Amino acid sequence: ETGVTQSPTHLIKTRGQQVTLRCSSQSGHNTVSWYQQALGQGPQFIFQYYREEENGRGNFPPRFSGLQFPNYSSELNVNALELDDSALYLCASSWGGASGRRDTQYFGPGTRLTVL
Amino acid sequence: DQQVKQNSPSLSVQEGRISILNCDYTNSMFDYFLWYKKYPAEGPTFLISISSIKDKNEDGRFTVFLNKSAKHLSLHIVPSQPGDSAVYFCAASELNDYKLSFGAGTTVTVRA
Repeated sequence: ETGVTQSPTHLIKTRGQQVTLRCSSQSGHNTVSWYQQALGQGPQFIFQYYREEENGRGNFPPRFSGLQFPNYSSELNVNALELDDSALYLCASSWGGASGRRDTQYFGPGTRLTVL
Repeated sequence: DQQVKQNSPSLSVQEGRISILNCDYTNSMFDYFLWYKKYPAEGPTFLISISSIKDKNEDGRFTVFLNKSAKHLSLHIVPSQPGDSAVYFCAASELNDYKLSFGAGTTVTVRA
């Protein structure tokens, strides 16, 4: 069974640029959640995708957007990068039911984004 | 607004002894609680969880206790091993909610 994978591992961008981060979910999972972890803090929820639809969003501006593909892999896009966007971006996959039930989220290793 | 709080940034314990990690929460709608462990350069790894209908859940060396009236949970690791040295995150979610709210983490160091 393949776990959650993310690419790239590290990324350096300059302020104002755009970035795309990728996540492959664990086999059998249909739900992907994205989190931002700043240094010294716990992960903060960005949004979740369930069966290719955004299914909830945290307190992040619209320049943070995402996609989920038919194979349940996902992308996180961030436009107009700011210095404060420097963080570890974590993707987590889980199985979700139509009733709203969500199983345990399993995390990938993360992408370390540095904005200069 | 930090709804999940881990007030101890670090904990040092001798190998073989008990590690006790604490977590407090403010949202009374939380009904599912989890602990994750994180090594450097890796993502958080699921450790153990507990539903609000229980007050204790045990898995090998790991036991989580939930005190709903105090809005407090704790993770006990017995006995502590060097491989347990990591950052531990407490997380919580509401019923059928998708979002996990995390604490800031506690760094555990197990001394030989």
